[in-house]
Amino acid sequence: DADVTQTPRNRITKTGKRIMLECSQTKGHDRMYWYRQDPGLGLRLIYYSFDVKDINKGEISDGYSVSRQAQAKFSLSLESAIPNQTALYFCATSDRRADTGELFFGEGSRLTVL
Amino acid sequence: GQQVMQIPQYQHVQEGEDFTTYCNSSTTLSNIQWYKQRPGGHPVFLIQLVKSGEVKKQKRLTFQFGEAKKNSSLHITATQTTDVGTYFCAGPNSWGKLQFGAGTQVVVTP
Repeated sequence: DADVTQTPRNRITKTGKRIMLECSQTKGHDRMYWYRQDPGLGLRLIYYSFDVKDINKGEISDGYSVSRQAQAKFSLSLESAIPNQTALYFCATSDRRADTGELFFGEGSRLTVL
Repeated sequence: GQQVMQIPQYQHVQEGEDFTTYCNSSTTLSNIQWYKQRPGGHPVFLIQLVKSGEVKKQKRLTFQFGEAKKNSSLHITATQTTDVGTYFCAGPNSWGKLQFGAGTQVVVTP
């Protein structure tokens, strides 16, 4: 089983709908992140959380919100989806105690907004 | 703000050949990380470089961090079909969060 699990893996929705992408991890890491990947743009940080009570905006947080329900769970919401939010979304974790800031990514959630 | 740029964006390589992909930052970096994403997969951590001029090798992959800590390179020798994928570099921005380059997509021709 994957250490970082994302659901759903694929989702097609319509403009204006509310969408939630969920992420859970069994790695015991305190830090969790949501990234968005678009062709030619690499990975861009949406939100990150260093513990359950800590939520921080990344470089492209507009139109998104997050919830850290527990150390192991970090969900991303699109309150009213729009077509330019069509992208591949990755959840990632890291361990503050590690020597490196290595990120461990989930399998990704592909979202299409029509 | 900080920018991390990678060149080339695409790299077509004949199997057995060598190639190099480059990563350049507009600011000095405390460290740089490299990730590989196979087609249809997720990014996987390869390595982190911290010291000025540092060189690290992983089998056929050689990673280098520039003396000024503003650039890095990944050199792959004797490319194999298993090297197919997109290679990303990433460095911490002013708030300490990793900023990724756009990646180099590598296609290997048998």
